[in-house]
Amino acid sequence: DAMVIQNPRYQVTQFGKPVTLSCSQTLNHNVMYWYQQKSSQAPKLLFHYYDKDFNNEADTPDNFQSRRPNTSFCFLDIRSPGLGDAAMYLCATSRDFNAGLQSRPQHFGDGTRLSIL
Amino acid sequence: SQQGEEDPQALSIQEGENATMNCSYKTSINNLQWYRQNSGRGLVHLILIRSNEREKHSGRLRVTLDTSKKSSSLLITASRAADTASYFCATDGGSNYKLTFGKGTLLTVNP
Repeated sequence: DAMVIQNPRYQVTQFGKPVTLSCSQTLNHNVMYWYQQKSSQAPKLLFHYYDKDFNNEADTPDNFQSRRPNTSFCFLDIRSPGLGDAAMYLCATSRDFNAGLQSRPQHFGDGTRLSIL
Repeated sequence: SQQGEEDPQALSIQEGENATMNCSYKTSINNLQWYRQNSGRGLVHLILIRSNEREKHSGRLRVTLDTSKKSSSLLITASRAADTASYFCATDGGSNYKLTFGKGTLLTVNP
């Protein structure tokens, strides 16, 4: 089945130690998104790629970076994780939006839960 | 912010009952979407309703949209224990494709 896969499901890192989360998709979707979701809160968009074009949200901390080497893979790099970065990180994909810039359904992976020691 | 707000924040019902969740938003939209999230899992898309639609059905789900009141509701009929999850509405802001999610309603269906 076509899907969005995130690895690992659980990641523990030390305060200040760089960490990379990965996402792969078999849907061949143009758009890939990274969200941060803290406990009992709404998912918050960090950034997205439309093909190779990177789009950062204005309030995403500089500590967060992303790479998309090809259509199928996307990575979230946290350069110096702080305690406040402990959260669930969700990757999602969608087909490119239609001519009216209308949103499409997004397909989510099961997330990576990041803990900071 | 155009963030949607779901109401209620939590809802507990018995199996077989209907569950209604509401969503309000602040700005104009092209589409409104509803998602389900089981504990510790990713979000699953349930239904998309366009701004020119008033009602949409999918299986046991019924979604309504009132753009004059900037509100939407999600009705789950004949609920099952497996419907226990958080439900989020998401809006696209009317001018772009990015989604802004509400805070969600935690639905518990007791067997």
